[in-house]
Amino acid sequence: GQQVMQIPQYQHVQEGEDFTTYCNSSTTLSNIQWYKQRPGGHPVFLIQLVKSGEVKKQKRLTFQFGEAKKNSSLHITATQTTDVGTYFCAGDSGAGSYQLTFGKGTKLSVIP
Amino acid sequence: EAQVTQNPRYLITVTGKKLTVTCSQNMNHEYMSWYRQDPGLGLRQIYYSMNVEVTDKGDVPEGYKVSRKEKRNFPLILESPSPNQTSLYFCASSLAWNTEAFFGQGTRLTVV
Repeated sequence: GQQVMQIPQYQHVQEGEDFTTYCNSSTTLSNIQWYKQRPGGHPVFLIQLVKSGEVKKQKRLTFQFGEAKKNSSLHITATQTTDVGTYFCAGDSGAGSYQLTFGKGTKLSVIP
Repeated sequence: EAQVTQNPRYLITVTGKKLTVTCSQNMNHEYMSWYRQDPGLGLRQIYYSMNVEVTDKGDVPEGYKVSRKEKRNFPLILESPSPNQTSLYFCASSLAWNTEAFFGQGTRLTVV
């Protein structure tokens, strides 16, 4: 079945440093979504990417979808303590499977 | 306010005692699903429902049952809970299976 690999599993950064998490799929995705889960909270939708090579920005967050639609990245510029949490990507193959497959997430810690 | 409501938030039970975790959404979403979250394993889908009376197995359905008699409700049933079902459970709903998912607050289940 489809696999979505996410790296790194953990990332510790000094406040103000940049952060990137990567997501790779074993199959071509029709779209990819990103979620953030704060400690003790529930996943919250951040964004959905659909087009090959798509780049979207939300303030300090930049999301990219690869040209082959098999990988994606989330980059945070100048991290803040409010960025702490686990970031998940989720993809669907669009091939008759009615499920989102989540990556295992990247847990971000920000040292003040 | 648009929301997904799960109950209970916390539950400690004994092996073999049937339990139900309720999930309700007020957004008229057709797609609902249940996930379990375990350390290092990310979010894994248990069951999903495309619409009323339409349910299907996710990636880890063993030991669980669901029903979808009404559009807004999607309860998760553990007929005979076992300690390996100790986990954090999330219900989610979305307009379609590959659109933005709204998650409930989570249910932390401990089976002793």
